[in-house]
Amino acid sequence: GNSVTQMEGPVTLSEEAFLTINCTYTATGYPSLFWYVQYPGEGLQLLLKATKADDKGSNKGFEATYRKETTSFHLEKGSVQVSDSAVYFCALSDQSVSGYALNFGKGTSLLVTP
Amino acid sequence: SQTIHQWPATLVQPVGSPLSLECTVEGTSNPNLYWYRQAAGRGLQLLFYSVGIGQISSEVPQNLSASRPQDRQFILSSKKLLLSDSGFYLCAWSVGPTGELFFGEGSRLTVL
Repeated sequence: GNSVTQMEGPVTLSEEAFLTINCTYTATGYPSLFWYVQYPGEGLQLLLKATKADDKGSNKGFEATYRKETTSFHLEKGSVQVSDSAVYFCALSDQSVSGYALNFGKGTSLLVTP
Repeated sequence: SQTIHQWPATLVQPVGSPLSLECTVEGTSNPNLYWYRQAAGRGLQLLFYSVGIGQISSEVPQNLSASRPQDRQFILSSKKLLLSDSGFYLCAWSVGPTGELFFGEGSRLTVL
């Protein structure tokens, strides 16, 4: 089935540093790709998404581009803030599972220090 | 607007005791509903999903079961908890092929 692999954490950055969290996927067909964010003690929130190749999703200064040739959907932000500290999950739609469930990566913990 | 609620938020249970986690969605009709479990270092694992009342699909064999007695209600249950059932349980909903899931606040279960 479809699967996602994302870089291991934790990632520790200083405020205003550049962020990249790598995500690659394995899929048949043309899945949609997502980044979700989880703040401590909370559920997951959608951060951004892309539904087809070369689409760029963006939100709150974060960006990710759907690269079919490299099967990647890396998350980037030019200048991180302390408030960005959270766990980030890459996910893809699994069309082999009815009900439109998402397959998630293991998550990457980000800590931004002042 | 649509909202999703889970309860209880935190639960500590002894091994062998029963479990019931409840999830309700408001502001939408006929949603797809999901239960995920998040265990430390293992990401999110899909446990169950439902595309309609009384329709439950299980993704992994386990000690848990799910039910959907009403259109917007999804319940996760166990008759006898195991230590390995500890984790953070997340309910989510969607309304079709857009793929986006909307998550509840989560329920943290500790089995002692």
